[in-house]
Amino acid sequence: EVQLVESGGGLVQPGGSLRLSCAASGFTFSSYWMSWVRQAPGKGLEWVANIKEDGSEKYYVDSVKGRFTISRDNAKNSLFLQMNSLRAEDTAVYYCARARWSGSYQAFFDYWGQGTVVTVSS
Amino acid sequence: QSALTQPASVSGSPGQSITISCTGTSSDVGGYNLVSWYQQHPGKAPKLMIYDVTNRPSGVSNRFSGSKSGNTASLTISGLQAEDEADYYCGSCTSSSTVVFGGGTKLTVL
Repeated sequence: EVQLVESGGGLVQPGGSLRLSCAASGFTFSSYWMSWVRQAPGKGLEWVANIKEDGSEKYYVDSVKGRFTISRDNAKNSLFLQMNSLRAEDTAVYYCARARWSGSYQAFFDYWGQGTVVTVSS
Repeated sequence: QSALTQPASVSGSPGQSITISCTGTSSDVGGYNLVSWYQQHPGKAPKLMIYDVTNRPSGVSNRFSGSKSGNTASLTISGLQAEDEADYYCGSCTSSSTVVFGGGTKLTVL
């Protein structure tokens, strides 16, 4: 059974940093692209970042470029999101998701974690 | 990248069919057969219901079906059941190798 379990969320002041983790099990982690998707309170889904199977390629939504860094440790079946210079608008539930590609295009997310809550407030 | 456009809400009675639309552009929905749909119950994680416009993952009821015409994709749920009441989101790949979602549609089963 595929399982994705996020951790690391919490309350942080504007300008602060937080590191999210996602522990994966039930599949060959090193064979899949992985992504972070967030959902602000009462809002829709927003793709944040993704990372290739071997970590050699990474993509980000424009609003987090230069502030967030996605990484992975295939030996530990883990995905990470380092978030720096946090802003109030980064407040959201952050989901770890397994990403599926079709050729050169990111197609869909077939498994999701339960999410971890990040609140940016003074 | 702008979000895809979905109706804020739709409703239907048990046993009826409803359709949720998802409108984008030729740079996303219209340009690729890579539209997906997700169901989200309150406080829960999204669940993949449809991928590649028309395909259902294993375990998803055949009451759920997807289609696309031009820049608009659609999710149809037939034989509505109480447990179908949830938020539904469409997603599409984009020309820049990212994913864009719709704003979400709240389905109410009357």
